[in-house]
Amino acid sequence: SQTIHQWPATLVQPVGSPLSLECTVEGTSNPNLYWYRQAAGRGLQLLFYSVGIGQISSEVPQNLSASRPQDRQFILSSKKLLLSDSGFYLCAWSPSSNQPQHFGDGTRLSIL
Amino acid sequence: AQKVTQAQTEISVVEKEDVTLDCVYETRDTTYYLFWYKQPPSGELVFLIRRNSFDEQNEISGRYSWNFQKSTSSFNFTITASQVVDSAVYFCALSEVSSRDDKIIFGKGTRLHILP
Repeated sequence: SQTIHQWPATLVQPVGSPLSLECTVEGTSNPNLYWYRQAAGRGLQLLFYSVGIGQISSEVPQNLSASRPQDRQFILSSKKLLLSDSGFYLCAWSPSSNQPQHFGDGTRLSIL
Repeated sequence: AQKVTQAQTEISVVEKEDVTLDCVYETRDTTYYLFWYKQPPSGELVFLIRRNSFDEQNEISGRYSWNFQKSTSSFNFTITASQVVDSAVYFCALSEVSSRDDKIIFGKGTRLHILP
């Protein structure tokens, strides 16, 4: 069966520090991968999605970036975090278009 | 443009009552999919159901039921005999088949409180 792993579960970072959140999927190949942010416990904002290695689509211009170095690995990064980057970050995968997305457990990011 | 509206921001009901969560969508596509997800306090999103636009039959799964009506562009979710464990944020979502991207558009969610 397929599983999705996302880490860390919680993270506290100072303003201006770098960020790297990692997400990996097991039990499938060539999944669609997604990064979402949820602020204040409501509303999912799609940040990035990827339909293949090296293919990244950005939805919201900001100081975050995403990379897909391997088929089942999706990384969310920032060179310098802002206070506004605080939130709950969720990674998700789906087997193809229009299929249900399956989510990781999320990372709670607090910026001090 | 595709859009999902969940007008109910927050609902509170007493345990064992029935509750309906509303979802209205907008799309120009004739072929699309609708979804419901549950987000319990622990944070992870749990997939509940997917329906395609050609299947208007209502669906029942235990205490959960879904009413899909294309005439009103609605895909409402009813919980019968609610339980405290049903307390969560519920998201309705839409994806268009003709869309060249692979996005699912989520509504803003309805926070459901089931009071003991």
